[in-house]
Amino acid sequence: EAGVTQFPSHSVIEKGQTVTLRCDPISGHDNLYWYRRVMGKEIKFLLHFVKESKQDESGMPNNRFLAERTGGTYSTLKVQPAELEDSGVYFCASSPLPRTGGIEQYFGPGTRLTVT
Amino acid sequence: QKEVEQDPGPLSVPEGAIVSLNCTYSNSAFQYFMWYRQYSRKGPELLMYTYSSGNKEDGRFTAQVDKSSKYISLFIRDSQPSDSATYLCAMSLNSGNTPLVFGKGTRLSVIA
Repeated sequence: EAGVTQFPSHSVIEKGQTVTLRCDPISGHDNLYWYRRVMGKEIKFLLHFVKESKQDESGMPNNRFLAERTGGTYSTLKVQPAELEDSGVYFCASSPLPRTGGIEQYFGPGTRLTVT
Repeated sequence: QKEVEQDPGPLSVPEGAIVSLNCTYSNSAFQYFMWYRQYSRKGPELLMYTYSSGNKEDGRFTAQVDKSSKYISLFIRDSQPSDSATYLCAMSLNSGNTPLVFGKGTRLSVIA
């Protein structure tokens, strides 16, 4: 079974540009999460989808970040316009609904975003 | 005060040593306590989890939770070079549909 995949693995953009990150969860997982790790800090929650609905977006830093999950499958996270402080590693994780599985969130390898 | 505190290390031990990794937390509402392992350039992978207080053992790994002290530990017995990784503690309020709150992670090196 394929794990969570993320694309691209690494992105270098200039301040003010737009970047779109993509996450493909494990097939059948209704929960999809985005997390971010800024250098020197802990991994922090950004938002949570259940199928195509945003369940919790309390961790989104500001309105420059837009996440979508059309059709309840893959998700995209767009940063527009990017700022220097957006640099970090963006992780996506997925999990089945609690009634069908355990508590584990399965993480992708992350997208390393560098804003110069 | 951060919700979860974890010493980032690095921690270097000889092969065969017993390793103790710890986290403290401030939110008494946390119910699930997890340890994730992350190898370089990979995503975190769940090692084990504990619900509420108590101990859980899985092979060479033992997780302990003391809710009264808001303190969790991971012990690794007979450590191996393949255990070299970053270990992250994580916590959540409920099972399943809730975000994880992570510590910074402790980088461990086991020297052969």
